[in-house]
Amino acid sequence: EPEVTQTPSHQVTQMGQEVILRCVPISNHLYFYWYRQILGQKVEFLVSFYNNEISEKSEIFDDQFSVERPDGSNFTLKIRSTKLEDSAMYFCASSEHGQRSSYEQYFGPGTRLTVT
Amino acid sequence: GESVGLHLPTLSVQEGDNSIINCAYSNSASDYFIWYKQESGKGPQFIIDIRSNMDKRQGQRVTVLLNKTVKHLSLQIAATQPGDSAVYFCAENPGNQFYFGTGTSLTVIP
Repeated sequence: EPEVTQTPSHQVTQMGQEVILRCVPISNHLYFYWYRQILGQKVEFLVSFYNNEISEKSEIFDDQFSVERPDGSNFTLKIRSTKLEDSAMYFCASSEHGQRSSYEQYFGPGTRLTVT
Repeated sequence: GESVGLHLPTLSVQEGDNSIINCAYSNSASDYFIWYKQESGKGPQFIIDIRSNMDKRQGQRVTVLLNKTVKHLSLQIAATQPGDSAVYFCAENPGNQFYFGTGTSLTVIP
């Protein structure tokens, strides 16, 4: 069964450093998403991406964040200057369809980001 | 932000019994809802969805009920199995973005 993969599984970085979290969505999916989940809290939407551009972003997704689909398989989330409060589990998801159709999103296993 | 909450943070059921997990949502404009299951150390897994033009939708061993009048959503799991032990949370979509609830931890007692 196809699945979304994410690397690394755990990333430790120092405050102020840049990090790039990587995702490989399911190959025939067209819509891509990043979410984060701070330990013990609910999943929060960050951004959705379709046709090589951001289609929706939340208030959390400020200028420190960016997303990119550098090739036909990877989808990345970059945090330019990490803060302590960026420590969380980051989930990538993809779906075959987007709005007004089935939103069945397939989530990756997550990358745990620890900012020290 | 939106407010999507769950009535019970934990739920324990005997194996074989039915489970009911509840969710309250706040935005009357939400027209699409999803239930997710999240096992420890894994990403959320889609269980079932429902649109606001429906009151009930059934899947394999799961049923979602939607009461738009009181903005309430429930997930019913029939014949609960040990593999159903996980955190369950609902998500609502009033537009282009999903808002997730905190979750209910379901423990199935063998």
